[in-house]
Amino acid sequence: DTGVSQNPRHKITKRGQNVTFRCDPISEHNRLYWYRQTLGQGPEFLTYFQNEAQLEKSRLLSDRFSAERPKGSFSTLEIQRTEQGDSAMYLCASSLVEIYNEQFFGPGTRLTVL
Amino acid sequence: GENVEQHPSTLSVQEGDSAVIKCTYSDSASNYFPWYKQELGKRPQLIIDIRSNVGEKKDQRIAVTLNKTAKHFSLHITETQPEDSAVYFCAATNRQGGKLIFGQGTELSVKP
Repeated sequence: DTGVSQNPRHKITKRGQNVTFRCDPISEHNRLYWYRQTLGQGPEFLTYFQNEAQLEKSRLLSDRFSAERPKGSFSTLEIQRTEQGDSAMYLCASSLVEIYNEQFFGPGTRLTVL
Repeated sequence: GENVEQHPSTLSVQEGDSAVIKCTYSDSASNYFPWYKQELGKRPQLIIDIRSNVGEKKDQRIAVTLNKTAKHFSLHITETQPEDSAVYFCAATNRQGGKLIFGQGTELSVKP
């Protein structure tokens, strides 16, 4: 499968626990994006990287959220001290900036915080 | 701030009819407008996009129009089929490779 992949696909955790998600972009895509989607809503931007550099973070991204892309390939999104309001689908997308912003999405990680 | 409004939130049509979904954006610097289709439990999939230097783009039964002066763009699906049933999202961005601002989505139901 040469598309964007995300792991795990589902995560159930208790409030207060830390969780980490992984995204593997399409090979050679230099941009990687994280979005969050709640039921009945469009995806909301969280942050994005060009290669290793984190270029923008949303005001939605509290200090409990951190994202990395250490080698410019896969990325991780960590949520510390999870809250019930963090329950959502976390979507990753990637693009090749030379091709005008066509972003391709992964299947998402569905987080449920009990 | 940046905002994209999408209407209607739900749309029901008979198979073979046309469907139109409309979006407006607030940032006049927006210059790229993709449309995504999301089936239940699946990832958003890009179906068509348009850049600010053109007013219309067509791909088989799907077309998108852009009115930069009014800051709105629309998705047109002709000869709808039951497999077109899904949630459709419009989006906008104001720079190459930047974040997408999404509309709230339109749930399209095509009845056979």
